[in-house]
Amino acid sequence: RKEVEQDPGPFNVPEGATVAFNCTYSNSASQSFFWYRQDCRKEPKLLMSVYSSGNEDGRFTAQLNRASQYISLLIRDSKLSDSATYLCVVNGAGNMLTFGGGTRLMVKP
Amino acid sequence: GAVVSQHPSRVICKSGTSVKIECRSLDFQATTMFWYRQFPKQSLMLMATSNEGSKATYEQGVEKDKFLINHASLTLSTLTVTSAHPEDSSFYICSARDKEPGLEQYFGPGTRLTVT
Repeated sequence: RKEVEQDPGPFNVPEGATVAFNCTYSNSASQSFFWYRQDCRKEPKLLMSVYSSGNEDGRFTAQLNRASQYISLLIRDSKLSDSATYLCVVNGAGNMLTFGGGTRLMVKP
Repeated sequence: GAVVSQHPSRVICKSGTSVKIECRSLDFQATTMFWYRQFPKQSLMLMATSNEGSKATYEQGVEKDKFLINHASLTLSTLTVTSAHPEDSSFYICSARDKEPGLEQYFGPGTRLTVT
């Protein structure tokens, strides 16, 4: 079983739609969680950290369910510029960050 | 914000030659830097963890004699791909973690290596 699992997609949604991505992780001792965004042929960029109480940053909302070892990212009012691959990232053994395979989002006009 | 630079951004070399990639943290000190490799349409794969002043820790399956890592200062780590072969062609990305508390990693822009 992979340490961090994500549905690879692609998710094809129209502009203005709400889309949600999920991620599961295997290490119950993990303490830190992040969502990164990676554009094609570019490096990953930190989108937001994920806190136990859930957190929101503009159109983006992240949720963490420790009991189910599950993380989600919700994007409201999708923009064309949101098209990218979204990486779920968890700190694993030895405090090393482990990346999921990414979920590809394509927002269409 | 934290900025990490990488040089070169793109390199084409002949099979059998060596290529050095530099990773620098520009506005913070990084006690730990990471080297990743990403093949097309695949996820980032951690190759090694580089700690300033000590030997790098390599992930299973990564040849330490082929991928030489040096982390000589708190702002610079280098990856040298020795005797490169076409199968080494990939996108190599470094990242750095600030020495201050926090696990966020900041990524360099990546180096696209093509071995002919």
